[in-house]
Amino acid sequence: ILNVEQSPQSLHVQEGDSTNFTCSFPSSNFYALHWYRWETAKSPEALFVMTLNGDEKKKGRISATLNTKEGYSYLYIKGSQPEDSATYLCAPDFNKFYFGSGTKLNVKP
Amino acid sequence: EAQVTQNPRYLITVTGKKLTVTCSQNMNHEYMSWYRQDPGLGLRQIYYSMNVEVTDKGDVPEGYKVSRKEKRNFPLILESPSPNQTSLYFCASSHGSDIQYFGAGTRLSVL
Repeated sequence: ILNVEQSPQSLHVQEGDSTNFTCSFPSSNFYALHWYRWETAKSPEALFVMTLNGDEKKKGRISATLNTKEGYSYLYIKGSQPEDSATYLCAPDFNKFYFGSGTKLNVKP
Repeated sequence: EAQVTQNPRYLITVTGKKLTVTCSQNMNHEYMSWYRQDPGLGLRQIYYSMNVEVTDKGDVPEGYKVSRKEKRNFPLILESPSPNQTSLYFCASSHGSDIQYFGAGTRLSVL
């Protein structure tokens, strides 16, 4: 069993705040690092797949960075909106996937 | 429309009664996978398949079987379900290490 840690477990912010979460994982021999967004009563939806050390990806107000040498990734949300409220999951891909428990974000209007 | 289809969406059964949850994808993906989600534990991988006739154990394979006879289908079989298999199950598919597309989920209760 491989340990993937996400922090914080939950986060409450006001609309317009910027926020970030951390995903930590063993740094060796993985193919990619995945980020997913999971809204209540829906299925997880992919945000990013990152493969290279120093990789940075952006999708609208959401961006992510990857450090493969030290085994962590950050997800940033700029100017949070209520529709950003969801659980954000990360998972390193070793062909097997190991998901973290997620960071639950609640954005208050 | 590109999708991953799971059936059934909801299932209540009794201990020991064999069941199959089907999963089908129409995107010609090589990689398919089954996960279970339990409160406080996140998504845990049960089995995965990198292509037809190639399957491998994930983190929590005990009590489950899978098969991959065709590229589009990846059924999950519970030969003798037990109450600790009560969970929310997701099937997912992808091209190799690319993003995974998840099905809508199957909520299983084993009494």
